[in-house]
Amino acid sequence: EPEVTQTPSHQVTQMGQEVILRCVPISNHLYFYWYRQILGQKVEFLVSFYNNEISEKSEIFDDQFSVERPDGSNFTLKIRSTKLEDSAMYFCASPKQGRAEAFFGQGTRLTVV
Amino acid sequence: SQQGEEDPQALSIQEGENATMNCSYKTSINNLQWYRQNSGRGLVHLILIRSNEREKHSGRLRVTLDTSKKSSSLLITASRAADTASYFCATSLTGGGNKLTFGTGTQLKVEL
Repeated sequence: EPEVTQTPSHQVTQMGQEVILRCVPISNHLYFYWYRQILGQKVEFLVSFYNNEISEKSEIFDDQFSVERPDGSNFTLKIRSTKLEDSAMYFCASPKQGRAEAFFGQGTRLTVV
Repeated sequence: SQQGEEDPQALSIQEGENATMNCSYKTSINNLQWYRQNSGRGLVHLILIRSNEREKHSGRLRVTLDTSKKSSSLLITASRAADTASYFCATSLTGGGNKLTFGTGTQLKVEL
C-alpha cells in the first residue's frame, strides 16, 4: 500500500510564529493537495499543486499560506504568521495519475497557543 | 450551500448489525468516494463510484449512487467493533480536477 508521510505528527507553536508542515508524497505522483480539518469539523480543501505550481486554491488559502516543493520530493505547507484559528489537522494527499482515489498522510496536528 | 451533507451525524449499532450512512450533494460530479477516519488519524479511501454507476460492492461495503437525487449511501454489512470510525463522503466535481469536497461525516460506533 503506497504511503504519504507527514512530519511532524504534532506541532505546538506560539501565535504569530511561522510553521512549516512537511509531506513526502508517493513518488511519481504529479498532483499534491493540502487539506485541513478543524477539530470536530469536516475536511476542507486548501490547495492543489501540479507540475510544481499551484493549480487551485480555496478561500482559506490566503497570503499567509504558501506551498513549495523545494527538493523535488518533499512538499511543504508554510503558514507565515499563525493565528489561533489555524489550529487544525493538516493533511497532505496524493492521487495516482489517472486515478481519482487519494492517498492521505496521517496528518500534522497544529496547535497554536 | 453545503456540497456534501451526511446523515445521520452519529450512529450507534450492535456488532453484527448493518450500518447505513447517507450523503447528499448539490452539483454535478465525476465520482463520489467514501473515506474512513479513525479518531485523530488520516483518511483511508474505501470505495469510489463513478457518476455513470449505480451500485458498487467491495467486501462488506455496498455503495449506491442516485444522480437524479444527488445522493449516495454506504452500507456496511455485518458490522464489527473495528468498524467504529467516522465515515465521510467526498465528491470530485465535473471540471474540478481531482480536488475532493468532503461531507460532514457520520460517526459510527459499533458496540460489542
